[in-house]
Amino acid sequence: DQQVKQNSPSLSVQEGRISILNCDYTNSMFDYFLWYKKYPAEGPTFLISISSIKDKNEDGRFTVFLNKSAKHLSLHIVPSQPGDSAVYFCAASATSGTYKYIFGTGTRLKVLA
Amino acid sequence: GAGVSQSPSNKVTEKGKDVELRCDPISGHTALYWYRQRLGQGLEFLIYFQGNSAPDKSGLPSDRFSAERTGESVSTLTIQRTQQEDSAVYLCASSLGGGGYGYTFGSGTRLTVV
Repeated sequence: DQQVKQNSPSLSVQEGRISILNCDYTNSMFDYFLWYKKYPAEGPTFLISISSIKDKNEDGRFTVFLNKSAKHLSLHIVPSQPGDSAVYFCAASATSGTYKYIFGTGTRLKVLA
Repeated sequence: GAGVSQSPSNKVTEKGKDVELRCDPISGHTALYWYRQRLGQGLEFLIYFQGNSAPDKSGLPSDRFSAERTGESVSTLTIQRTQQEDSAVYLCASSLGGGGYGYTFGSGTRLTVV
């Protein structure tokens, strides 16, 4: 049972435009969410987080939106840059537990110059 | 060290052999996690250590998999009698234990069972 789903395995966006990566979850106990970015042959790196007490968190070009009623979050990157080309994972945790994060299957973003 | 260090970076082994993967977490990080990523799939949780508490082994796929951690330092993941389906990138991560910081991952060990 995939509790965290990223239904788009890949996405291509023109440089300078907005990239929107989506993530859905099924467990209503999840209350903390992270986005990670992964380049080939490297470990994932933390990008941005959001707590369930918020519906938006912004950090520079990256904004994460959370819709708790829909159990949906999205990562917006604007403007997109070629260096943003990577695999993006969303992850969710019920922080009252062990901080064990459940990861989605990832979305490969390609930003075209 | 400054980051999470994993060794070896690559390992090719014959089916049926045992392998041991090592992880050096960031100093001071009380929590340590093992994940794996098989080809075309997401990150799959394997095991979690937090301080001196009993580890959360709920993600280990079979009894061929085991992991140990010495205090709040090095961890080893052992796979006995490796099978081809064990081929994956095994990722170790550590954290301060707070959800707000997420994890810091190592670069992983790419295991290939032939």
